Amino acid sequence: QVQLQESGPGLVKPSETLSLTCTVSGGPVSSGSYYWSWIRQPPGKGLEWIGYIYYSGSTKYNPSLKSRVTMSIDTSKNQFSLKLSSVTAADTAVYSCARASSGTYYYDTSGYFFLDIWGQGTMVTVSS
Amino acid sequence: SSELTQDPAVSVALGQTVRITCQGDSLRGCYASWYQQKPGQAPILLIFYKNNRPSGIPDRFSGSSSGGTASLTITGAQAEDEADYYCNSRDSSGRGIFGGGTKLTVL
Repeated sequence: QVQLQESGPGLVKPSETLSLTCTVSGGPVSSGSYYWSWIRQPPGKGLEWIGYIYYSGSTKYNPSLKSRVTMSIDTSKNQFSLKLSSVTAADTAVYSCARASSGTYYYDTSGYFFLDIWGQGTMVTVSS
Repeated sequence: SSELTQDPAVSVALGQTVRITCQGDSLRGCYASWYQQKPGQAPILLIFYKNNRPSGIPDRFSGSSSGGTASLTITGAQAEDEADYYCNSRDSSGRGIFGGGTKLTVL
């Protein structure tokens, strides 16, 4: 079955760039059926959607992070990545990658959006 | 608005039924999905597209929606259902949104 695994530094200095990679096994990131997503969760707080990337390279980002976020995808390595620039202590969180489905069935006026497979998450601390 | 609102905490007696709600304008154009998260674990998808459950999710979990409100119902709550529950949707621009989460206590 499809599995996702995050990797990257667990400690990043303030003002630097956080870089994480999600490696997908058991299925191709080049599938046109899914959107490859990043979510984060600060300690003791709720989930925050960061954004997603499609196999074509098109992206959607959380407006509150958009100016600092860059996502990329490497279909040859079956990976997708997150870069978050100019980090501060407020960016300290567990960062998770996930597979999303999003669309609308032709017979329904309302759409769907859900994240069915998640990585285990990786803790990133921003500190000098 | 691109927000989803959940009650911060809800409690239920063991074996009873509990409803967790999620409100937001985005739910008028996109069905909510629901996730369960236990401490130190990744979220697990419970409900997607109206009232669909992934394989392995017990049928005591069900979903419903009406207008701008979505609900997750647990019928016959078990001790192992004590967890945080999050709703999720997308806004009109296709961006994902999470509710603030509801902490469920099973008494």
